[in-house]
Amino acid sequence: DTAVSQTPKYLVTQMGNDKSIKCEQNLGHDTMYWYKQDSKKFLKIMFSYNNKELIINETVPNRFSPKSPDKAHLNLHINSLELGDSAVYFCASSVSREQYFGPGTRLTVT
Amino acid sequence: GQQLNQSPQSMFIQEGEDVSMNCTSSSIFNTWLWYKQDPGEGPVLLIALYKAGELTSNGRLTAQFGITRKDSFLNISASIPSDVGIYFCAGQRSSGTYKYIFGTGTRLKVLA
Repeated sequence: DTAVSQTPKYLVTQMGNDKSIKCEQNLGHDTMYWYKQDSKKFLKIMFSYNNKELIINETVPNRFSPKSPDKAHLNLHINSLELGDSAVYFCASSVSREQYFGPGTRLTVT
Repeated sequence: GQQLNQSPQSMFIQEGEDVSMNCTSSSIFNTWLWYKQDPGEGPVLLIALYKAGELTSNGRLTAQFGITRKDSFLNISASIPSDVGIYFCAGQRSSGTYKYIFGTGTRLKVLA
């Protein structure tokens, strides 16, 4: 009965590789988000989709590309990974004014 | 990107003590959310506030929406060891924007 789920939980990869993180929510929410949490625990919004439409696109390198195949899924693809991309990435979904987070994906780039 | 100021940044308290923390902004918000994050987990929504002056409780937690709409407060009564974690506030300026701005976090450590 998981609400917002992400895969994988951990991702270790080398610089220059391309990787994807998947997110699914079974809450019936229309809006989904990707956040990045750095080593100081600051949470920064990256993207948001509402009903498969991109509505928030913060200043993020274009190596990051979100894709929403349907309103229950929001994936994040990252090209040409760099050391600075190492962080925890959280997916979230919202309804009304409440937002719920997934468990996070810890990405380590070596 | 913008972040909200949370105070204190971190605190050590004795088990059984009450805890207070706050979140301030230079802008007006119409929604305040409070989260708790345990190590290795995602933030968990504790309390949502929608109106200026609103006071809402969730067990030992009580949060208030500041009357200026530029701040919010979270109190934890009779703290226990499992209250350890990082507490985040998040604000939304208007319901049509979908964007939440997060606070810098308050790291709480409880001494048994």
